[in-house]
Amino acid sequence: EVQLVESGGDLVQPGRSLRLSCTASGFTFGDYTMSWFRQAPGKGLEWVGFIRSKAYGGTTEYAASVRGRFTISRDDSKGIGYLQMNSLKTEDTAVYFCSRWLRVAYGVDVWGQGTTVTVSS
Amino acid sequence: EIVLTQSPGTLSLSPGERATLSCRASQSVSISYLAWYQQKPGQAPRLLIYGASSRASDIPDRFSGSGSGTDFTLTISRLEPEDFAVYYCQQYGSSPPALTFGGGTKVEIK
Repeated sequence: EVQLVESGGDLVQPGRSLRLSCTASGFTFGDYTMSWFRQAPGKGLEWVGFIRSKAYGGTTEYAASVRGRFTISRDDSKGIGYLQMNSLKTEDTAVYFCSRWLRVAYGVDVWGQGTTVTVSS
Repeated sequence: EIVLTQSPGTLSLSPGERATLSCRASQSVSISYLAWYQQKPGQAPRLLIYGASSRASDIPDRFSGSGSGTDFTLTISRLEPEDFAVYYCQQYGSSPPALTFGGGTKVEIK
């Protein structure tokens, strides 16, 4: 079964850091772009960033709201992606979803179940 | 940055009725990069439509997408009980690379 499972969500204080993980199974993780999205309580979906597959350079892109604070990385040998979140703000409170796509034109076809990050003092 | 505006915000319909959801972009969007998702409470989004009109795997044919340029539509021909959910349109822009979502349309039982 093709699956993505996020972990690492927690309650953290403003200004602190947190790292989320996304563990893939059932497919060749390295063939896909991995992306992170988030959804604040009662709000819509927001794209956070993505990392291309090595075949497309393994480069990253970020939303303006997180650029310079968040870093996405991947370990294809382990089938795990990461979202390192630094200098967290209360407005980063959300459910964070990892996902994949082969070609962005084909849509984001597999999503994890999400992990909750709460930033509060 | 392209802004997607979805309307209506809420659609109140009965099972068996037809649902028409609109997604309007602030500037022209490549049809290759327009997708629709369904999200139910407490669940991850589910890909319905990509490339503006192609159904994703295992999506029933009562779901269809159409449109081009700045105006796109998701149609559910006959609502089933499991179709009551929130629907989002999403586009990918390459300069700079970014994905954006519309604010969503909630389809609720009338």
